[in-house]
Amino acid sequence: AQSVTQLGSHVSVSEGALVLLRCNYSSSVPPYLFWYVQYPNQGLQLLLKYTTGATLVKGINGFEAEFKKSETSFHLTKPSAHMSDAAEYFCAVSHYGGATNKLIFGTGTLLAVQP
Amino acid sequence: EADIYQTPRYLVIGTGKKITLECSQTMGHDKMYWYQQDPGMELHLIHYSYGVNSTEKGDLSSESTVSRIRTEHFPLTLESARPSHTSQYLCASSSTLGQGSGRDTEAFFGQGTRLTVV
Repeated sequence: AQSVTQLGSHVSVSEGALVLLRCNYSSSVPPYLFWYVQYPNQGLQLLLKYTTGATLVKGINGFEAEFKKSETSFHLTKPSAHMSDAAEYFCAVSHYGGATNKLIFGTGTLLAVQP
Repeated sequence: EADIYQTPRYLVIGTGKKITLECSQTMGHDKMYWYQQDPGMELHLIHYSYGVNSTEKGDLSSESTVSRIRTEHFPLTLESARPSHTSQYLCASSSTLGQGSGRDTEAFFGQGTRLTVV
């Protein structure tokens, strides 16, 4: 069975500091991995995804994530936080497509950016 | 920009009323999902559909029902709303790119419906 664990329900960083949001997954087969961002009163927007190929994935707004199979991790990073990055971030996993596949989401991490 | 729409965005309704939350997508996606999310909390899958006339219960038990008569439309209905149904409801869709291909697109989300039952 697949599952996703996001360590830290709340993360606070200073503007300009490194952002690191942690995600570990459990999957019996090579996973597809996703990071989504949610701003208040909005739906979820895809930041980046890993399916196959290069393990370092670059997304929108300067975010990137690295798939590490040995650590079963897919942590999200951004070198320098901006005030506009304050939002809720969700990691998600799915395995190969097919009729019965569905996304499994983590519990989310709320990122606060201090001036 | 994702072509998936939810209406209404906000709804305040009295206890006992029947409500239907609408979700439509124009991307031709075969899979559609309904998630329930309380403020600042995790997403809970309450319903999903693999295609027309296919619906399944999600991981979180819900008194709501869904239907999938057309590919693009996945409405959620509450026969008798209660204050405990107050929440945000998010609809999403994704596509399986060809049967047996092993490929799946990411999920696209609507803006959500914030339901308040008074």
